[in-house]
Amino acid sequence: DIQMTQSPSTLSASVGDRVTITCRASQNIKVWLAWYQQKSGKPPKLLIYETSRLERGVPSRFSGSGSGTEFTLSISSLQPDDFAIYFCQEYFYRNATFGPGTKVEIK
Amino acid sequence: EVQLLESGGGLVQPGGSLRLSCAASGFSFNAYAMNWVRQAPGKGLEWVSVITGSGGNTYYADSLKGHFTISRDNSKNTLYLQMNNLRAEDTAVYYCAKDRFMTAVADSFDYWGQGTLVTVSS
Repeated sequence: DIQMTQSPSTLSASVGDRVTITCRASQNIKVWLAWYQQKSGKPPKLLIYETSRLERGVPSRFSGSGSGTEFTLSISSLQPDDFAIYFCQEYFYRNATFGPGTKVEIK
Repeated sequence: EVQLLESGGGLVQPGGSLRLSCAASGFSFNAYAMNWVRQAPGKGLEWVSVITGSGGNTYYADSLKGHFTISRDNSKNTLYLQMNNLRAEDTAVYYCAKDRFMTAVADSFDYWGQGTLVTVSS
């Protein structure tokens, strides 16, 4: 099984800050990684798929990069609507594993 | 508009069974693999299972093989999850989620239902 880790687990930031979240896979998953945003009581929302492809309707302040085992999600200028939990997900082969999540909170 | 609506959750005793349903609309249901993902209260996301568009192939998280059964009825645009021998640790919100790409099996998930809560307790 592929294991996923994320860092940090919690991130305190201010509106306008640039933030970066890291996701690591226990083995090479090439580019098969997605990022989701989840707010309390709601289902996750797809932000990025295939490491860096922005899902339709997602603001361009979100971006993703990486390959192999290390990936990042960046938010260029944090907005009030961005305070949420972010999960990465690998989907290398007929299976999926989520990272434990990173909570982005107001500083 | 794509819509996914789960139902069938509720309170069940340990050892009991439940069948969850996910009614889909707004897309060509039989063209997409569909997934179940669960989230225990206050915890992260756990992928449960995927079924191909035709229903001919199914895959499960290793920890859940033999515990749950995924199926679909393309004539009714409905996805199912049969859960048997339920344990307290199965308590979670269960989401159905659609694969983003037609050609994929367990892909990124572009649409999710609102979830249905399953509580396993005596």
